[in-house]
Parts: sequence; C-alpha cells; structure tokens
Amino acid sequence: GAVVSQHPSRVICKSGTSVKIECRSLDFQATTMFWYRQFPKQSLMLMATSNEGSKATYEQGVEKDKFLINHASLTLSTLTVTSAHPEDSSFYICSAGPGNVGNQPQHFGDGTRLSIL
Amino acid sequence: AQSVAQPEDQVNVAEGNPLTVKCTYSVSGNPYLFWYVQYPNRGLQFLLKYITGDNLVKGSYGFEAEFNKSQTSFHLKKPSALVSDSALYFCAVRDINSWGKLQFGAGTQVVVTP
Repeated sequence: GAVVSQHPSRVICKSGTSVKIECRSLDFQATTMFWYRQFPKQSLMLMATSNEGSKATYEQGVEKDKFLINHASLTLSTLTVTSAHPEDSSFYICSAGPGNVGNQPQHFGDGTRLSIL
Repeated sequence: AQSVAQPEDQVNVAEGNPLTVKCTYSVSGNPYLFWYVQYPNRGLQFLLKYITGDNLVKGSYGFEAEFNKSQTSFHLKKPSALVSDSALYFCAVRDINSWGKLQFGAGTQVVVTP
C-alpha cells in the first residue's frame, strides 16, 4: 500500500530555532501533499496544501512566512517552522495520496512532535 | 461548505461487545467519506471509504461503515470490539468539488475495556 514517511518524529529545540520537517511518499508520486497541525485531544487542522513545482496554498490564518513549504519533487515536501516559539509546539502531520483522483484516500505520515523550549 | 460532526467525544465498550462510532456530514454535492484511526503519537491510518455503490462498506481490521444518504450519516461499526481497538477515530469528508482537501470531525476516543 501507499506509504508516507515523515521525519523527524520528534524535535526539541530552543526558542528562535528554525525546524525543518520532511514528508516523503515512498512508493508513489504525489503532486499534492497536505500539512496539518494537531493539538492534544483535538482534530487535525489543515495548514496548507503543498503543490509540486509551485507555491503552497495556505489556509486562512496560517502565516506563510512562519511556515515555509517547499515541494521540489514529486516525492518530497518540507515544512520549515521559522524562528519557532513555544506557541508553535504541536504535532505536525503530513499526508499525500497516489493519483490525481479525489476519491482516493490520503495516507498520513507518523507525525512530528515539535517542542519549543 | 462541507462539515463533519462526531457527536461523541468518547465511546466506552467492553471487549467482545459491538462498537459504533457516529458520524454525520454536510456537503454541497455527493460526498466522499472516510474513516481513519489514530494511535498515540502516530499519524492517521486509513480504515475505509465510501465513494459510491453499496451503502455498506467493509474495511480494515474488521471495521465496516454504513452510508445513509437520507440521514447524512456514515457510522463506523465493529461487531466485536478488541482492547487493541482503543484509539482515536476520525470521520472525514471530501466533496467532489474540493479535490484532496479533507474536512475532519472532532474525533471520538474509543476505550475498550477487558
């Protein structure tokens, strides 16, 4: 089945540090990937849609300069949290789906637990 | 606009008993409906989907869901719950006009006791 790999699984760093999270589709090509944020015991909040070879589409209220997304290849999207602060601490999850058809399920990475001290 | 409601924050069930997790949806067109499960500190795992056809959909790990258009519901069911089914369950909807983007419900924590 389709596999999405997310790295790192956990990051602990000081305030002001920039953190890069990678999302890879291992056995399929993904022209579109999605980045979510999840707070404890809450649902997933879509942050942005990552489009291969073009700019990401951000959801309302998400700072594009804060959360930089790069989707340079058909198998890799990266999310960089710039100058991270404690309020950015959260669980970040990416997803991707094989094919360009809306009825296919998205497959999720295992998430990245980001803790900013 | 599309939306998903999971009315129960938590469902408690004894092992061996039937498990039902409720989901209702609202979309402007025909819905694509999905169920996912999340274990602690993990991403979401796909369980099953309804696109078209038979209203009863069978998925992974013995789960099934019934699509009911008149009640706009897509409840998840399992005839006999296992302790290992304890997890967070999400219902999601995508309407045919918003390729890729999923709208998730708030999630339902399932607790299966031995």
